[in-house]
Amino acid sequence: GAVVSQHPSRVICKSGTSVKIECRSLDFQATTMFWYRQFPKQSLMLMATSNEGSKATYEQGVEKDKFLINHASLTLSTLTVTSAHPEDSSFYICSARDPLAGFNEQFFGPGTRLTVL
Amino acid sequence: AQSVTQLGSHVSVSEGALVLLRCNYSSSVPPYLFWYVQYPNQGLQLLLKYTTGATLVKGINGFEAEFKKSETSFHLTKPSAHMSDAAEYFCAVSDRSGDDKIIFGKGTRLHILP
Repeated sequence: GAVVSQHPSRVICKSGTSVKIECRSLDFQATTMFWYRQFPKQSLMLMATSNEGSKATYEQGVEKDKFLINHASLTLSTLTVTSAHPEDSSFYICSARDPLAGFNEQFFGPGTRLTVL
Repeated sequence: AQSVTQLGSHVSVSEGALVLLRCNYSSSVPPYLFWYVQYPNQGLQLLLKYTTGATLVKGINGFEAEFKKSETSFHLTKPSAHMSDAAEYFCAVSDRSGDDKIIFGKGTRLHILP
């Protein structure tokens, strides 16, 4: 099946610094990738939809200047949390849509645990 | 807008007992329906999905779900629970209109009692 990886799996940073999270589709080309945020013991909340070669579409309430998304190739999307603060600490999960799989199925990465001190 | 309701944020069953996790959706047009499982500190794994055709869908690890249009439900079941089934389960929907977005329910934590 389709495999999606994320790097790093865990990151700890100081308040005010920026952190970049990578999402890669390993065995398929993903024209569309999604970024989710999950708070402890809660569901996944869609942050943005990332389309290769174009600007990301952000969900209402998500600061696009704070959460920078780049989808420069068909296998890589990056999420940069700029000037991170403790309230940005969360579990970030990406997913990728395989256009050959059909039926809106998304394949999820293993997630990145961000802790901002 | 689509929404998904999962009844019960926590469900406990004894090992070997039937597992039933409830999911209802709100849409006049049946969406694509999914069940995902999440183990601690991991991403989501697709258990099964309903797109079209047979309303009883079989998935991995012995799970199955039945789409009931009249009840707008997609409940997840497994005849006999294993300790390894302890995890968080998410029901999710996606619009058939072409929008790729998946909307997740709040999740149900399944506890397996020895």
